[in-house]
Amino acid sequence: ETGVTQSPTHLIKTRGQQVTLRCSSQSGHNTVSWYQQALGQGPQFIFQYYREEENGRGNFPPRFSGLQFPNYSSELNVNALELDDSALYLCASSWTAAGVEGYTFGSGTRLTVV
Amino acid sequence: GENVGLHLPTLSVQEGDNSIINCAYSNSASDYFIWYKQESGKGPQFIIDIRSNMDKRQGQRVTVLLNKTVKHLSLQIAATQPGDSAVYFCAENPYGGSQGNLIFGKGTKLSVKP
Repeated sequence: ETGVTQSPTHLIKTRGQQVTLRCSSQSGHNTVSWYQQALGQGPQFIFQYYREEENGRGNFPPRFSGLQFPNYSSELNVNALELDDSALYLCASSWTAAGVEGYTFGSGTRLTVV
Repeated sequence: GENVGLHLPTLSVQEGDNSIINCAYSNSASDYFIWYKQESGKGPQFIIDIRSNMDKRQGQRVTVLLNKTVKHLSLQIAATQPGDSAVYFCAENPYGGSQGNLIFGKGTKLSVKP
């Protein structure tokens, strides 16, 4: 059984650019949730995907968008990057019936916007 | 690796002592709570959970206490070891854990002195 894998591990982008982060869910998991963790803070919920549809969203602007694929992997896209988008982006997968009880987090992608 | 502990409250304990980490949660409707451990360069790792119909739950070397009256959680770690050094987050969910997302607290950095 494989865990949650995220790529890339680190990324540096320029303000105004666009970025795509990727997440492969744990085997058997069909729900993917994305969190943003600023330095020295707890993770904040961005959105969740289930059956390729957005299934809940936190307080993030529309320039944060996502996709889920038939194999349950997911992408997080951020357009028009701002300096404050610099953070660790975490993906968590779970089996729907287990909800947040079954959350497994990946190690994250560290995004730096300069 | 990631320094997730910047600007966080810090608890420093001697190896072998017991540690108590506290957390005030925000939503009186929350009925499911999780403690996570986050080491540098890694995503949050599940430690222990508790539902609101309980006030205490024990795991291996860890105990979680819940006081719903004052919306307070605590994590007790017995015989703290250097490997316990990490940032600890409490997280809450208002749906019994069956759906939705987690709301994370600010985190506490635990430093264990050998």
